[in-house]
Amino acid sequence: NAGVMQNPRHLVRRRGQEARLRCSPMKGHSHVYWYRQLPEEGLKFMVYLQKENIIDESGMPKERFSAEFPKEGPSILRIQQVVRGDSAAYFCASSPGQGYGYTFGSGTRLTVV
Amino acid sequence: SQQGEEDPQALSIQEGENATMNCSYKTSINNLQWYRQNSGRGLVHLILIRSNEREKHSGRLRVTLDTSKKSSSLLITASRAADTASYFCATAPPGANSKLTFGKGITLSVRP
Repeated sequence: NAGVMQNPRHLVRRRGQEARLRCSPMKGHSHVYWYRQLPEEGLKFMVYLQKENIIDESGMPKERFSAEFPKEGPSILRIQQVVRGDSAAYFCASSPGQGYGYTFGSGTRLTVV
Repeated sequence: SQQGEEDPQALSIQEGENATMNCSYKTSINNLQWYRQNSGRGLVHLILIRSNEREKHSGRLRVTLDTSKKSSSLLITASRAADTASYFCATAPPGANSKLTFGKGITLSVRP
């Protein structure tokens, strides 16, 4: 059981480019969550997905950000036309359902130059 | 806004001592969880305590929950240098399709 797999670990993008972050949940977990963390801060919720459904995207900026969790394949967090302020660590977590602890991936550190 | 707020923000203790970290929250919860994060890594789930529970143990960890005061504490006994990390509390509200809300964390340093 490989746990939650995120890739890439590090991603450098120039302003205006697109960033695609991938997350494969733990086997048997159907709930996926994305969080963003800035240095010395806690995690800020972005979006909660189940297979083919966005359950809660209240933490996602209205523009440039989107997320999906298709029937087959990993969950994708997409950031279009990145800006310097998007630089952060993005963590994905999964759980088997409500009322359980989350298993986190190692994160993707996005740097926008 | 942050639901859980940890206290203190930073804690430095000697190896072998106990470390107590506190978390306060504002609204009703279904459960409260504690996580650890080592520098540059993802979060690791430590313990989950449900709203109808008052105390839970896991190895050297002891968590208490006081829903009347909307607070929780995490006690690490006989600390080790390897316990050096950031610790976060996270709350899950009642209801379906809820997600965890994290505090800003406590930085624990255990001196050898």
